[in-house]
Amino acid sequence: AQSVTQLGSHVSVSEGALVLLRCNYSSSVPPYLFWYVQYPNQGLQLLLKYTSAATLVKGINGFEAEFKKSETSFHLTKPSAHMSDAAEYFCAVSESLMNRDDKIIFGKGTRLHILP
Amino acid sequence: EAGVAQSPRYKIIEKRQSVAFWCNPISGHATLYWYQQILGQGPKLLIQFQNNGVVDDSQLPKDRFSAERLKGVDSTLKIQPAKLEDSAVYLCASSLDRQGFHEQYFGPGTRLTVT
Repeated sequence: AQSVTQLGSHVSVSEGALVLLRCNYSSSVPPYLFWYVQYPNQGLQLLLKYTSAATLVKGINGFEAEFKKSETSFHLTKPSAHMSDAAEYFCAVSESLMNRDDKIIFGKGTRLHILP
Repeated sequence: EAGVAQSPRYKIIEKRQSVAFWCNPISGHATLYWYQQILGQGPKLLIQFQNNGVVDDSQLPKDRFSAERLKGVDSTLKIQPAKLEDSAVYLCASSLDRQGFHEQYFGPGTRLTVT
């Protein structure tokens, strides 16, 4: 069964600094991997997803993530943080078996704080 | 395109009362999900529908929770009777189909407080 571990429930970075949110996954087969963002009192919105094409995935709002099979990681980065990036971020994994009803498993989330 | 709609946005009830949530998915999406998100945690899948059939309800507390998706469009989730530990945000999501690579689109959620 697949699982996701997000390191750090809270991360604080200064405005303009690098954002790095860590995610490690466990899956018995090649995974699909996702990062979702949740703003206060809103539902989740997809930032980006990995579906076995390019290992470096670019998403919305300047975010990107790199799939590293050897490290079972899918860390989220953004070169320069903006105040509007303050939100909760969720890493998620789904198993890539075709013709199956694949359940997506979410991590516990990382709250990103942006310091002025 | 219109997003996933949910109502109500907020609900406060006393324990042992019943409550119902409504979800209208994106038009044309075959798969509909209900998640429970407890404060400080990620969403946990309660039930997944494919059109009007249940695909996965393994984590639904069936002694108190029920859900239906009549005609394969709108869905309702009911809790009867509610317990204090049911306080959470209930998220509805939909996707084009059920394979794992499809993006899920989430509604704004219903925040339930049980007192």
